Amino acid sequence: TQLLEQSPQFLSIQEGENLTVYCNSSSVFSSLQWYRQEPGEGPVLLVTVVTGGEVKKLKRLTFQFGDARKDSSLHITAAQPGDTGLYLCAGGSGSNTGKLIFGQGTTLQVKP
Amino acid sequence: GAGVSQTPSNKVTEKGKYVELRCDPISGHTALYWYRQSLGQGPEFLIYFQGTGAADDSGLPNDRFFAVRPEGSVSTLKIQRTERGDSAVYLCASSLGRYDEQFFGPGTRLTVL
Repeated sequence: TQLLEQSPQFLSIQEGENLTVYCNSSSVFSSLQWYRQEPGEGPVLLVTVVTGGEVKKLKRLTFQFGDARKDSSLHITAAQPGDTGLYLCAGGSGSNTGKLIFGQGTTLQVKP
Repeated sequence: GAGVSQTPSNKVTEKGKYVELRCDPISGHTALYWYRQSLGQGPEFLIYFQGTGAADDSGLPNDRFFAVRPEGSVSTLKIQRTERGDSAVYLCASSLGRYDEQFFGPGTRLTVL
């Protein structure tokens, strides 16, 4: 069974601080995605990484896929209150259905 | 353009009752997914439709859960004899094809009393 574990589960920081969220598994994934979810809404895709060692940047967010394609990280530089939300990593199961396996999420609160 | 819509947004029912949750995917999207998200957890896969057929229902927890997509567009998730443990947010997602980006609806929050 493929599992994704995220850490930390909760993070409360001050505006301007940096943070990193980790997503780890003992299984290899064909791709990893990062989503952000606001209360009362569905997850919204931020990025997809598919190649081991890949690094993608989205403004102040940097995403990295591990060389062995078993782990990923999300780094936010100079966090802002607007970054507050639930961050989810999800892996492509490698099946022929496209179903996603999600981590349990990291709740981020950025205080002004 | 319209995104994925789900109705109702909230549903409160009593233990033992039957409920139906509806998903309207983005027009033209052939792939449709149902996920369930319990409080403090990430979404958990339930079922995947390609067109009208359920191509993968391996995530349905038991035979009280059933889903249909008769015309390859709107899908309905049906739960019989609801239990308190069924309380969760039920999310629907659609994509152009099975490996394309999934767009999620806002979910239906189901509460079983």
